[in-house]
Amino acid sequence: NAGVTQTPKFRILKIGQSMTLQCTQDMNHNYMYWYRQDPGMGLKLIYYSVGAGITDKGEVPNGYNVSRSTTEDFPLRLELAAPSQTSVYFCASRGDREGFGYTFGSGTRLTVV
Amino acid sequence: EDKVVQSPLSLVVHEGDTVTLNCSYEVTNFRSLLWYKQEKKAPTFLFMLTSSGIEKKSGRLSSILDKKELFSILNITATQTGDSAVYLCAVVQTSGTYKYIFGTGTRLKVLA
Repeated sequence: NAGVTQTPKFRILKIGQSMTLQCTQDMNHNYMYWYRQDPGMGLKLIYYSVGAGITDKGEVPNGYNVSRSTTEDFPLRLELAAPSQTSVYFCASRGDREGFGYTFGSGTRLTVV
Repeated sequence: EDKVVQSPLSLVVHEGDTVTLNCSYEVTNFRSLLWYKQEKKAPTFLFMLTSSGIEKKSGRLSSILDKKELFSILNITATQTGDSAVYLCAVVQTSGTYKYIFGTGTRLKVLA
């Protein structure tokens, strides 16, 4: 049981480049989330999804896009990368019973130069 | 504005010490409060608290919630170097769907 798998683990982008952060879960969870974690700033919600075909903005959605064509996959797209998007990105999922909390992926460290 | 505040921001102790980490919150439509431990990788789930005064316990870790005073504490007794991590508090808010609001975390370093 792999849980939540994120790729890549590290990436350096140049300003203006685009990329997609991949997130896959094999727990049949309906709820999936993308967070970014800046030093000393805690986790900020970028986008979330309550099921396949449904996505919604979180606190800091600007500069990002998501899609949820299947229950398993929730990719995060960065268009026109900016230095302000340098951060660690976490994907998470949870089942319908929130009592077990989130299961997080291992994170993607992104640097935009 | 909804917020979750953790204190202290960082803490250095020696092995065997007992530590208390604090999480206070001002959140509308409160549903539950969760504690996570984050080492070098992703946060891992520790506890979920929904009712006041009921202690959750797992080994040397325990946590309790006070919904009247709007805070929770996480206690770690007989600390070990493996307890060194960032401890995150998150409040779950219900407004149609569940929204998690995270604190900035407490960085704990346990010295041998």
